[in-house]
Amino acid sequence: DTEVTQTPKHLVMGMTNKKSLKCEQHMGHRAMYWYKQKAKKPPELMFVYSYEKLSINESVPSRFSPECPNSSLLNLHLHALQPEDSALYLCASSQAAASGYTFGSGTRLTVV
Amino acid sequence: EDQVTQSPEALRLQEGESSSLNCSYTVSGLRGLFWYRQDPGKGPEFLFTLYSAGEEKEKERLKATLTKKESFLHITAPKPEDSATYLCAVQDNSGNTPLVFGKGTRLSVIA
Repeated sequence: DTEVTQTPKHLVMGMTNKKSLKCEQHMGHRAMYWYKQKAKKPPELMFVYSYEKLSINESVPSRFSPECPNSSLLNLHLHALQPEDSALYLCASSQAAASGYTFGSGTRLTVV
Repeated sequence: EDQVTQSPEALRLQEGESSSLNCSYTVSGLRGLFWYRQDPGKGPEFLFTLYSAGEEKEKERLKATLTKKESFLHITAPKPEDSATYLCAVQDNSGNTPLVFGKGTRLSVIA
């Protein structure tokens, strides 16, 4: 299995809703990442997990809450989002430093 | 601070018209330079990793090269299906730092 699987592919949520994004990989990668991407912009790093521990939080608002239950799973819990949080949310994983990241297809999030 | 600058921002080519995309970078020490292709609404797809100046990698109509200051992605005889955004990213060798992405080049190949 050489894929990163993200679910759902599309999500529409209200500003008072609580939802979660899920990311799964079975490549044995020990680093996992969440990125946010706006249209015509490069991916913007949000969080990095290394060996299931949060190693980087790029000053992301607390309405985004990451979780890494095990080495294959990464979740992003969403609560009280704003319309400006609408974006493509990408998950990626990597085996080690200097190895390329494998990205999932993303979750297209719309906050209404 | 690591920096990546890609040019041009957008490129429009006729089918079969070869060209090159540029990625200039500044890092304290390069661990790796990565090229990705991204289609609209999809995640980036890994193309190449380059580690040292002089290295070259090829895949179908694409060839990536690396110098100490920049990388080029050469596209030979492109086809409409090569239309996408091409992203360049670098990782420095100061610990497990994440990739730093450039803003990308949006390539359109017209039949």
